[in-house]
Amino acid sequence: QVQLVQSGAEVKKPGASVKVSCKASGYTFTSYDINWVRQATGQGLEWMGWMNPNSGNTGYAQKFQGRVTMTRNTSISTAYMELSSLRSEDTAVYYCARGFLPLPFTNWFDPWGQGTLVTVSS
Amino acid sequence: QSVLTQPPSASGTPGQRVTISCSGSSSNIGSNYVYWYQQLPGTAPKLLIYRNNQRPSGVPDRFSGSKSGTSASLAISGLRSEDEADYYCAAWDDSLSGRVVFGGGTKLTVL
Repeated sequence: QVQLVQSGAEVKKPGASVKVSCKASGYTFTSYDINWVRQATGQGLEWMGWMNPNSGNTGYAQKFQGRVTMTRNTSISTAYMELSSLRSEDTAVYYCARGFLPLPFTNWFDPWGQGTLVTVSS
Repeated sequence: QSVLTQPPSASGTPGQRVTISCSGSSSNIGSNYVYWYQQLPGTAPKLLIYRNNQRPSGVPDRFSGSKSGTSASLAISGLRSEDEADYYCAAWDDSLSGRVVFGGGTKLTVL
């Protein structure tokens, strides 16, 4: 079955960077976009951007431009999201989510990974 | 702070019909499709409705979506205890170079 499995929880200090992985299985990795969405504790969902795993092209939400980098390793069907210059407000669960339809970009998502808690604390 | 506006809570008794509203603007709901996600406690969101009123395979027909102008709504009929969850609307927004925007979420309680 189609599945996205994310890396484990991270604790980072302010100013540091974090890199979260998302391993895909059950489908052709390069045929569907991967999106990243975050959710602060008790809060709503916030879209960070998307990546075309075939070309490597990306599109980032303006809020995260300059701080986020989305990459992939097609040989192991894994997508990555790196967020730099972390601050306490970045503490959240980070989800990867696959585009519902094959490329080009689909702005609705299913399935989602299980989420990765990133805690930013001094 | 969310671009789309949802009521923070909704409730109903088993068997009832409940609706959840989602209000936006001309740059998002007014010109693009609406999507709905269900997030059960402690789990990742799951797609419930796409393109305003389409259900992915496996989603019961008790769930339905509609859109009119810059607003949308999710209706759940024959309410069940397992429907207790957070529900989020979403849409593409043409402003700020384009982005996906979400509502703040509605917590549905089954009494």
